[in-house]
Amino acid sequence: DGGITQSPKYLFRKEGQNVTLSCEQNLNHDAMYWYRQDPGQGLRLIYYSQIVNDFQKGDIAEGYSVSREKKESFPLTVTSAQKNPTAFYLCASTTGTGLTNEKLFFGSGTQLSVL
Amino acid sequence: AQSVAQPEDQVNVAEGNPLTVKCTYSVSGNPYLFWYVQYPNRGLQFLLKYITGDNLVKGSYGFEAEFNKSQTSFHLKKPSALVSDSALYFCAARRGRAGANNLFFGTGTRLTVIP
Repeated sequence: DGGITQSPKYLFRKEGQNVTLSCEQNLNHDAMYWYRQDPGQGLRLIYYSQIVNDFQKGDIAEGYSVSREKKESFPLTVTSAQKNPTAFYLCASTTGTGLTNEKLFFGSGTQLSVL
Repeated sequence: AQSVAQPEDQVNVAEGNPLTVKCTYSVSGNPYLFWYVQYPNRGLQFLLKYITGDNLVKGSYGFEAEFNKSQTSFHLKKPSALVSDSALYFCAARRGRAGANNLFFGTGTRLTVIP
């Protein structure tokens, strides 16, 4: 089945540690996105990529980094500079470069907590 | 500035009764409007979208939404609620022809259907 796979489902970070969240899709989508979800808030865009080897900052990029070396993969690193990393992280993708009116497809999310 | 408002954090409805989840938007130009549903510890699933045309849009699982340009609203409706409809619902909007990176999400409405 086609879809987006996020791993791990749960992740714990120690202070000062960088952690990487995985996102893989087999939908052949060009555009991929990372969102952060906090209780009682809407989804906020961290980073997005419309094509391989290119990515752009979203609204809350500070303390995060990404790479897009392959079309199907868009990993997110939460660095030690992110002082409040506890949240539910969602990866999404869509057809084309995101300029169509098509829907977003979401992964099942990663819950990141601080030890 | 673009924004999406979901004025109700929580909506309770008895099984079999009609349900409405409210959404208003502020988007320049013609909006693209979406509804997504999220089940516990899962990613978002697409329900329906309005791009252009008929103001009444039908989507998955018997849901529909009505686009009202004069009231800048896009309320989600279902004629007869099921217990399995209990979930978190997100409204999202972006300006037409803007990329998906410009998608704004509401803060979500938790729907509880009471048996």
